[in-house]
Amino acid sequence: AQTVTQSQPEMSVQEAETVTLSCTYDTSESDYYLFWYKQPPSRQMILVIRQEAYKQQNATENRFSVNFQKAAKSFSLKISDSQLGDAAMYFCAYRGGYNFNKFYFGSGTKLNVKP
Amino acid sequence: DAGVIQSPRHEVTEMGQEVTLRCKPISGHNSLFWYRQTMMRGLELLIYFNNNVPIDDSGMPEDRFSAKMPNASFSTLKIQPSEPRDSAVYFCASSEGGSSYNEQFFGPGTRLTVL
Repeated sequence: AQTVTQSQPEMSVQEAETVTLSCTYDTSESDYYLFWYKQPPSRQMILVIRQEAYKQQNATENRFSVNFQKAAKSFSLKISDSQLGDAAMYFCAYRGGYNFNKFYFGSGTKLNVKP
Repeated sequence: DAGVIQSPRHEVTEMGQEVTLRCKPISGHNSLFWYRQTMMRGLELLIYFNNNVPIDDSGMPEDRFSAKMPNASFSTLKIQPSEPRDSAVYFCASSEGGSSYNEQFFGPGTRLTVL
């Protein structure tokens, strides 16, 4: 079974600084997708960014970018110019394989943004 | 589109009572997921449906939990009888099936408290 590991339960960053959240996963599949979701205090889960495993280019969405290292099975999220509104739980997720519908989520990283 | 709709948003009940959580997925989405989120266990997949058919219910904790999807626009998660350890936030999510590229869209969640 696939597993997703987020080894940083909590992190802090100063406003306007850059922070990187780590995620590793375990899979024997070659075709899959990776996602980062954000969960603010409102509890609403929001997609931040996604990466297709067969694409070597790292995905970017405005201030959010990923560092996807397929061989190392690593998928980190970089947040540039951190804003107070970025404070949230961030979940890494994996989807793929024979069962295209199932998502596997990591345990989450709580990000604090200091003014 | 209104997004994934869940009801109720909050539910407080007494141990032993039956609890029914409801979900309306986004129109056109053919995959539906039920998750449970607690501080201790994080985000757990309970069950998911594809085209109204349960595909994987291995995450359902025990026989007290049951889920149905009678049609493409409605699903229920029932707990009978409820216990204090069932207290959690329950999320419903939907996704367009068939491609791993498709993200999950989450509902706002139902916060369940069992006294």
